[in-house]
Amino acid sequence: DTGVSQNPRHKITKRGQNVTFRCDPISEHNRLYWYRQTLGQGPEFLTYFQNEAQLEKSRLLSDRFSAERPKGSFSTLEIQRTEQGDSAMYLCASSPGGLVTDTQYFGPGTRLTVL
Amino acid sequence: AQSVTQLGSHVSVSEGALVLLRCNYSSSVPPYLFWYVQYPNQGLQLLLKYTSAATLVKGINGFEAEFKKSETSFHLTKPSAHMSDAAEYFCAVSEKTSYDKVIFGPGTSLSVIP
Repeated sequence: DTGVSQNPRHKITKRGQNVTFRCDPISEHNRLYWYRQTLGQGPEFLTYFQNEAQLEKSRLLSDRFSAERPKGSFSTLEIQRTEQGDSAMYLCASSPGGLVTDTQYFGPGTRLTVL
Repeated sequence: AQSVTQLGSHVSVSEGALVLLRCNYSSSVPPYLFWYVQYPNQGLQLLLKYTSAATLVKGINGFEAEFKKSETSFHLTKPSAHMSDAAEYFCAVSEKTSYDKVIFGPGTSLSVIP
């Protein structure tokens, strides 16, 4: 069990550019979650997957955001035409199978800075 | 709609003193409740969770929390603070009907003074 990994750990981009983040969940974890955390705030739910199916999306996930989990393993989160307001820590978490007793295990996050 | 409030964005305690971090929730249905800890440059780690079993929940590192429905509270305590407890603590809630969607509070930064 190597834990949830996220790449890159830091990303600096200019406003208007597209960025893509990757999350590798714990092996055999069926559920994968994306959160956004801004300075001084708790994580905010963005979306989650059961295997390759995206089951719920937050209103925070505007049309510029898209998440995929094509083979039910790793996931990508893409932000198009980045804005300064997108600057935040993007967290990924995974859990085994969606039972309420399952724990969500978090990765270290990708810190995005939009200049 | 669910929400979580954490009283006190910063709490300082002396090493060896009682730790009390406050959390109140709002939920239209019976909730599940969580406490997570975040150390600098690390991911969130689950301390403990309440899922409608015992109202007093024991977690890792000597922490525990008590679910009080009448007060809509889920305060986190530890009898004796250790320097290594300095971190950011987040209370979170989810609903039984949508337990994957976890709503986090704003967090409380705990400092431990030697």
